Amino acid sequence: SQQGEEDPQALSIQEGENATMNCSYKTSINNLQWYRQNSGRGLVHLILIRSNEREKHSGRLRVTLDTSKKSSSLLITASRAADTASYFCATVSGNTPLVFGKGTRLSVIA
Amino acid sequence: EAGVTQFPSHSVIEKGQTVTLRCDPISGHDNLYWYRRVMGKEIKFLLHFVKESKQDESGMPNNRFLAERTGGTYSTLKVQPAELEDSGVYFCASSQDLTSYEQYFGPGTRLTVT
Repeated sequence: SQQGEEDPQALSIQEGENATMNCSYKTSINNLQWYRQNSGRGLVHLILIRSNEREKHSGRLRVTLDTSKKSSSLLITASRAADTASYFCATVSGNTPLVFGKGTRLSVIA
Repeated sequence: EAGVTQFPSHSVIEKGQTVTLRCDPISGHDNLYWYRRVMGKEIKFLLHFVKESKQDESGMPNNRFLAERTGGTYSTLKVQPAELEDSGVYFCASSQDLTSYEQYFGPGTRLTVT
């Protein structure tokens, strides 16, 4: 079965720096989504990119999708301490449920 | 508008006991999903309800897990008897329809089986 895999597993940066997380998957998809989970909280939907899109922006977030490489990246610009969380990519293919990766743990140090 | 709520937020039980988790989706959302994250592993799909019907339960690990959604509103997930490997965070999510790919997640229930 397909699986999203994030890279790196953990990332620690200084406030103000940019954070880049990558996600790879195995099969064709309808769309790819990024979620954030703050400690002890639920998953929050960040952004969705469809298979026919290559790049999408939302505030300080920039997502790219390369279907030929079956990969996506999430860039958070000008990071803040509040961005500290785990970030997950999830793929959708047909009517299948979301398939998540293990996540990237981002720590932004003030 | 209230989001997806889950109860309890934490549950600690002994092996062999029974636990029932509850999820209240966003009002009007026909689709309700259960996911689980076992420590250090990825979030995995358990099952999907459309209203009160089980659309897909391919992710349910075994027959110790029973999910219901009577009346098509809230859902319960019962684990009986609980085993150590059932420990993890159980997430519930809802969406309005199958074409709206965005799912709204609840805060999760952290289950610890000792």
